Amino acid sequence: TQLLEQSPQFLSIQEGENLTVYCNSSSVFSSLQWYRQEPGEGPVLLVTVVTGGEVKKLKRLTFQFGDARKDSSLHITAAQPGDTGLYLCAGPGEYGNKLVFGAGTILRVKS
Amino acid sequence: GAGVSQSPRYKVAKRGQDVALRCDPISGHVSLFWYQQALGQGPEFLTYFQNEAQLDKSGLPSDRFFAERPEGSVSTLKIQRTQQEDSAVYLCASSLTRDFRYEQYFGPGTRLTVT
Repeated sequence: TQLLEQSPQFLSIQEGENLTVYCNSSSVFSSLQWYRQEPGEGPVLLVTVVTGGEVKKLKRLTFQFGDARKDSSLHITAAQPGDTGLYLCAGPGEYGNKLVFGAGTILRVKS
Repeated sequence: GAGVSQSPRYKVAKRGQDVALRCDPISGHVSLFWYQQALGQGPEFLTYFQNEAQLDKSGLPSDRFFAERPEGSVSTLKIQRTQQEDSAVYLCASSLTRDFRYEQYFGPGTRLTVT
């Protein structure tokens, strides 16, 4: 069974601070996705990383896929209150027929 | 364009009641997924359809859970004889293809509370 572990579980920071959240597995994933979910809504895709060592930037968000494709990180620069939400990483299950999600990191950015 | 819609948004059921949760995917999307999300956790896979075919139901927690997508569009997740542990948010997602590098579009979910 492929598992994704996310850390930290909860992060509360001040506006303007930088932060990094992690997604780790003992299994190799062909790709990993990062989603953001707000209360009462479904997850919304932020990025898909496919190649080991890949770095993708989305405005103040930087996503990295580990060289061995077992881990990923999300770095947010100068966090804003609008970044508040649940950040989820997900990857295809071993038979490619479902998405496996991590438990998520709850981010709260205080103004 | 219209996204994935789910109804009802909230459902309160007494233990033992049957419930039916509806998902309207994005038109033309081949793949449809159901997930269960407990409070403060990530979504957990329940079942997957490609058009009208249910290709994977390995995540359904018990035989009280049943899903269908008879015409390859709208899907219904039915839970019979609900129990308190069924309380969760049920998310539906659709995707244009079955390639997981493509985006899954999620609906807002149905929050089920079993009392």
